[in-house]
Amino acid sequence: GEDVEQSLFLSVREGDSSVINCTYTDSSSTYLYWYKQEPGAGLQLLTYIFSNMDMKQDQRLTVLLNKKDKHLSLRIADTQTGDSAIYFCAETRSNDYKLSFGAGTTVTVRA
Amino acid sequence: ETGVTQSPTHLIKTRGQQVTLRCSSQSGHNTVSWYQQALGQGPQFIFQYYREEENGRGNFPPRFSGLQFPNYSSELNVNALELDDSALYLCASSSSLQVGEAFFGQGTRLTVV
Repeated sequence: GEDVEQSLFLSVREGDSSVINCTYTDSSSTYLYWYKQEPGAGLQLLTYIFSNMDMKQDQRLTVLLNKKDKHLSLRIADTQTGDSAIYFCAETRSNDYKLSFGAGTTVTVRA
Repeated sequence: ETGVTQSPTHLIKTRGQQVTLRCSSQSGHNTVSWYQQALGQGPQFIFQYYREEENGRGNFPPRFSGLQFPNYSSELNVNALELDDSALYLCASSSSLQVGEAFFGQGTRLTVV
């Protein structure tokens, strides 16, 4: 995961917005992803964004992409206790389905 | 529910043994990738199969091998198990027709003792 970096921990109060940040190094990255992993479970695809987009919104989730700075963020509005999990940023390149993951950000939602 | 199923869910093996993990891909998906996720880390790419042929490999030794079958299901085989092989093994399926969407199974937790 050295191509993709994330902060390791985030604590947020229930009802507030969470913002998880990620930086990547490969300018040829085509797709950038956010996955969620709950304890003992596999990875759930939350959303993804194509590299020619700046923003994508899907219900409570907003993805922002700054291609110049190679920075990706995931904003979760109205964070709930069920949002407590590890969130992984990942990238892939054109015609290459290999996903390169960051180390994950553990999000803890407190009451 | 992604439609990607893996078996078994948990497995304990002794160092030096061999193991086979299985994955059934989502209907309509022709590509299967395998990842190893060590405790506290992000998944690491092992290899990918597309239409029954290996289509890319990560930095894993040859004792990690795989197969994909005509129905696009897949196996991951690991020979001469080492303690460091203890990890969650994840299978992901995707389609060349829907670039960008890779769906994961629940994983197989392998413990090598």
